[in-house]
Amino acid sequence: DAEITQSPRHKITETGRQVTLACHQTWNHNNMFWYRQDLGHGLRLIHYSYGVQDTNKGEVSDGYSVSRSNTEDLPLTLESAASSQTSVYFCASSESGGKSADTQYFGPGTRLTVL
Amino acid sequence: AQKITQTQPGMFVQEKEAVTLDCTYDTSDPSYGLFWYKQPSSGEMIFLIYQGSYDQQNATEGRYSLNFQKARKSANLVISASQLGDSAMYFCAMTGEGDDKIIFGKGTRLHILP
Repeated sequence: DAEITQSPRHKITETGRQVTLACHQTWNHNNMFWYRQDLGHGLRLIHYSYGVQDTNKGEVSDGYSVSRSNTEDLPLTLESAASSQTSVYFCASSESGGKSADTQYFGPGTRLTVL
Repeated sequence: AQKITQTQPGMFVQEKEAVTLDCTYDTSDPSYGLFWYKQPSSGEMIFLIYQGSYDQQNATEGRYSLNFQKARKSANLVISASQLGDSAMYFCAMTGEGDDKIIFGKGTRLHILP
């Protein structure tokens, strides 16, 4: 069965370190998204991609970067981790023009703690 | 710019009662999609229901229905005959015309009481 996976599921790192969170989907979706979830803020969009070599900044992109070299993967990199980036990170994917009911898929989330 | 507002941070409802979770949105796009997601304590995001802006009828999925009032820019989720397993965080979300990214509200935490 097709799926979307994230790794690691939990990570603890230190301030200033570079961290990469992986997202892999086997739906063959063109669209991929990264969100962070914090209490009182819901899910906020960090970066998104509508296809290979396409990346776009979301609402809270400062301190994060992504690259899309193939359809299946959209890794999220924290260039120099900060305590304010402690959060739960969700990856999602969807079909292009994905306004129909069953095209939004989320990964299980990665809980990142920056000490 | 698009905006989603959920005004109820938390709700307590007796089991078997119907529940309405409020969602209002703002957009200038003539075509958009509206979604509801459920996030139980285990953390995963579960898609519940979708409504397209041009859909004439309100969407329904089992015990879930979306009360879509376009003129009021309202997309409330109605859960009929609530169950203990409905206790969770619920998020309203939307996409815009020609734009597949999803914008989320801040969520409503629903507690079902036995």
